[in-house]
Amino acid sequence: AQKVTQAQTEISVVEKEDVTLDCVYETRDTTYYLFWYKQPPSGELVFLIRRNSFDEQNEISGRYSWNFQKSTSSFNFTITASQVVDSAVYFCALSESGTYKYIFGTGTRLKVLA
Amino acid sequence: NAGVTQTPKFRVLKTGQSMTLLCAQDMNHEYMYWYRQDPGMGLRLIHYSVGEGTTAKGEVPDGYNVSRLKKQNFLLGLESAAPSQTSVYFCASSDALAGTSYEQYFGPGTRLTVT
Repeated sequence: AQKVTQAQTEISVVEKEDVTLDCVYETRDTTYYLFWYKQPPSGELVFLIRRNSFDEQNEISGRYSWNFQKSTSSFNFTITASQVVDSAVYFCALSESGTYKYIFGTGTRLKVLA
Repeated sequence: NAGVTQTPKFRVLKTGQSMTLLCAQDMNHEYMYWYRQDPGMGLRLIHYSVGEGTTAKGEVPDGYNVSRLKKQNFLLGLESAAPSQTSVYFCASSDALAGTSYEQYFGPGTRLTVT
């Protein structure tokens, strides 16, 4: 069965601090996809990254970076030098190949204080 | 290019009333989804569709029905609304290729309150 755990319910940091959001997943499939989405206070869901199970390279996009480790079934998300605009709820999601379905974690609310 | 749109944005229903939420996408996506979002529970899949004329149950389908008569539209119906269906509803769509999962594009959400 698929499962995504985001154990951090809420994190508060001061602006310019680095912060890591944890995502641990469970799957019995060898081919799967992992995603991160951002939900700012306005409510829309914004896609951030997609990663397949065969690509374990870490990815960096500006202040955002992602660490994918199959050995620990984790796909963690780091924001470097956080800004107030990073305040949002962040969701991690998992989709097994061919299932058409996506399983979302319960989300981590990040508050960046000025 | 509007992406994914949802109608209405807000609605208040009395228990027992019915309503239909409309989702439309202009990206020619095969797959479409309906989720509900409740505090502390993330997004839960209600129903989904892998193509025109097809629908399937998700994690929490009870009390809802769906139809996909046209590729670009996915309707979610509540036949007899209950207070437990108070939630924010999101529609999403994604591209399709056998064996591959693509990112989903979400609508702005519909906030439904059932009193």
